Formats: sequence, structure tokens, C-alpha cells
Amino acid sequence: EVQLLESGGGLVQPGGSLRLSCAASGFTFSSNAMRWVRQAPGKGLEWVSAINSGGRTYYADSVKGRFTISRDNSKNTLYLQMNSLRAEDTAAYYCARERTYYDILTGSYKDYSNYYIDVWGKGTTVTVSS
Amino acid sequence: QSVLTQPPSVSGAPGQRVTISCTGSSSNIGAGYDVHWYQQLPGTAPKLLIYGNTNRPSGVPDRLSGSKSGTSASLAITGLQAEDEADYYCQSYDSSLSGYVFGTGTKVTVL
Repeated sequence: EVQLLESGGGLVQPGGSLRLSCAASGFTFSSNAMRWVRQAPGKGLEWVSAINSGGRTYYADSVKGRFTISRDNSKNTLYLQMNSLRAEDTAAYYCARERTYYDILTGSYKDYSNYYIDVWGKGTTVTVSS
Repeated sequence: QSVLTQPPSVSGAPGQRVTISCTGSSSNIGAGYDVHWYQQLPGTAPKLLIYGNTNRPSGVPDRLSGSKSGTSASLAITGLQAEDEADYYCQSYDSSLSGYVFGTGTKVTVL
């Protein structure tokens, strides 16, 4: 069974740091692009960061320069290092697996900008407060 | 603030058809990027409903369908059931932001 299990959330003071982990199982982790998505209490979904199978990284403007996504394929684990945390970073953080698909019309697989999420973790909660 | 706009809520009686719109712009949906749809039941993680504008993953009933035209996309639910009560989000890519974007979300209520 494909599973993603986040950990590392908790209460941290503004300006503090936290590292989230996401343990993957049931699929070939190294071959998949991965993503972090967050959801503030009572709010909608927000893309945070992504990393492709080759290690190239992408960030939302709201976290660029403060958050770092990484992966350890030997441990089947995705990470999100969060520094200089702010109150507005308070949210549930979801780890997610990205997928592409074959486009019959073009005869090729969709590129990274068209990836979708097919598996989500249950999330870990980060609270930034003094 | 999301660049993809959805109605805050839609409702319908059991068995009825409801549609959820997702309105974007020329830098996202209108630029040809795919739209994907997710369902989020209360207190749970989102679940994939539609990928690539119109494709249903295995296990998603054919009562749900997606479409896309111009700068907008839609999710239709026919034969509305109590289990469809949830929040629904569209998602695409925005070239101006160089990143993925989600819609504002729509709460579906079954009357």
C-alpha cells in the first residue's frame, strides 16, 4: 500500500525553526517528484514547495529563502526545513506524491507544470506562536 | 490570495446535479495548463478526483466529471449523494508565479 507519513510538527516561537519529515512506503520513492502543501486553520490549500526526482527544487514566493525542501532516497524520506517561522506559517502541512500522465493527443508525458497529486499524507500541524 | 476563483459554496438535493466553477486567467488555465480537482472531507487530507482536466482515477465514480474551456474549468457532480458533502479544490500552474496554484475552495452541501 502506498503511504506517506509526516512527522516533526509542533509549537515553535516566531523566528524559530522546525524540520518536517515524510516517510514514504509502498512505491519507488526515488522515481517520484514530491510536494509539500499546507492549509492554515479554516483556510484553503496552498502549495509550498516541490522537488523532482533529480533533486531540482521549487518554492512558493511566501516561503522562498526561508524553507528548504530535500530528499534522502536511501531513507525514502522527504524533508522540509523551515526557518525564520512566522505566525502565518501556522498550518497543517501535507506531504504529497506528484504524478504525470501520458497525453494521447501529443504522444508524450505531461511536463512538470502539469503534474498532479495522487497520494497525500495525513498531515502534520505546525503552530507558530509565542 | 489565490489566482483561481471558485464559488464559496454550492448546494443541491440528493440526486441533483451541481457544478463547481474554477476561474483563472491567461497565465494559468488560459495558458493551457491542466486543471486537477481534489475533494477534502472534514478533518481529512485531500483526495484526487480529476486529473488532466477530464480524467478520473480508478475508484472515482463516473458521477463526477471535469471540463475546461478558455480560462475556466468546471467539476460536475451528478446524482448528488450525502457522501459528496465536502470541500472541493481546483489546482493548476501559473506561469507568472512560477508555481502551482489552488482554487479558493468550494463547500458542497447536500440538502
